[in-house]
Amino acid sequence: QKEVEQNSGPLSVPEGAIASLNCTYSDRGSQSFFWYRQYSGKSPELIMSIYSNGDKEDGRFTAQLNKASQYVSLLIRDSQPSDSATYLCAVRGGSYIPTFGRGTSLIVHP
Amino acid sequence: KAGVTQTPRYLIKTRGQQVTLSCSPISGHRSVSWYQQTPGQGLQFLFEYFSETQRNKGNFPGRFSGRQFSNSRSEMNVSTLELGDSALYLCASSLGGHNEKLFFGSGTQLSVL
Repeated sequence: QKEVEQNSGPLSVPEGAIASLNCTYSDRGSQSFFWYRQYSGKSPELIMSIYSNGDKEDGRFTAQLNKASQYVSLLIRDSQPSDSATYLCAVRGGSYIPTFGRGTSLIVHP
Repeated sequence: KAGVTQTPRYLIKTRGQQVTLSCSPISGHRSVSWYQQTPGQGLQFLFEYFSETQRNKGNFPGRFSGRQFSNSRSEMNVSTLELGDSALYLCASSLGGHNEKLFFGSGTQLSVL
């Protein structure tokens, strides 16, 4: 069974710090990787997608992928209180449907 | 461009009843997938429709069913509701390719009493 593991948290960081969110997956055939942000009571919103090994940067967000270690991470630089949310890691292999982790709760305190 | 639209936003039903949820995808998106989200289980895949055909199905009982219309709009039906069906039901649309990103609707919060 394909699994995606995330630390449930909460991860608490001070405003302005770097938040590091991690995700591991079991399916070595996984091809695409996504990070979604979900505010309480809202639906998931896509933040980043990454398909090849290395780093991908978009503004304050950097996704990192290491397929050999089956590991994907999301770094949030200059964290803001508005970044406080649950972050879901999703991994897609040969099928059309991604498998989601249960999410990591991030709290950015002023 | 309009986003994914789900209706209704909230539903309260009693055990044994049935319910139908609706999802209108982003214009041009041909894939609609449905998810159940609960605090204990996270986001769980129900099924996916592409061009009016069910392309994938998750591990849910047959009480959960769906369909997709020619305009890509999709409906999900749950029959003989149980208390454990109380959850946030999310639909997501995409263009339909292997690596396509999912765009979620606001969800339908279903409470079964």
